[in-house]
Amino acid sequence: DSGVTQTPKHLITATGQRVTLRCSPRSGDLSVYWYQQSLDQGLQFLIQYYNGEERAKGNILERFSAQQFPDLHSELNLSSLELGDSALYFCASSSAPDSYGYTFGSGTRLTVV
Amino acid sequence: GQSLEQPSEVTAVEGAIVQINCTYQTSGFYGLSWYQQHDGGAPTFLSYNALDGLEETGRFSSFLSRSDSYGYLLLQELQMKDSASYFCAVRDEDTPLVFGKGTRLSVIA
Repeated sequence: DSGVTQTPKHLITATGQRVTLRCSPRSGDLSVYWYQQSLDQGLQFLIQYYNGEERAKGNILERFSAQQFPDLHSELNLSSLELGDSALYFCASSSAPDSYGYTFGSGTRLTVV
Repeated sequence: GQSLEQPSEVTAVEGAIVQINCTYQTSGFYGLSWYQQHDGGAPTFLSYNALDGLEETGRFSSFLSRSDSYGYLLLQELQMKDSASYFCAVRDEDTPLVFGKGTRLSVIA
């Protein structure tokens, strides 16, 4: 157990639907990162939050949004889902916003049918 | 932006030594990290190099040459459990880690 908790572990949903992925960072970590991993791709950075504020944005689609709450947990919202959104979504956390060593959760496997 | 190149696949024999190379391009450089990911698992942090040279952690070592924008991960005394994907990653001042596409290491008997 890495200390980063992601729920749900698996999600199957239909095209056009909306889902919410949840992440609780490791205790004491203020920074949360979201990454997408598809079959032929590496880990694609989506977005970073630090202590409740958005700090960096990567190749995140406009259909996707995220937030970090006062208790530091984060949610990634994916809407108008397409088949191509099927992927593993990882959350990671770190204590500092400019860290090089992230602790990853076990991921949420999203399947869009 | 940043880009990283690493081989897609490497095969090595149990007990041997294997080197996984990584070249990178980035506008600002704040170090090279390595992560391991077993099939179906989460990436786990292995090592970090900010300065030129070799860093050793048990059977794993990581090397960096900033002038060549190049680094490698060296795995010694390979074990079957080392079969996994290995990712190099870089960060510049304002962005989180950008990962390479990963090298799938297969350790064979």
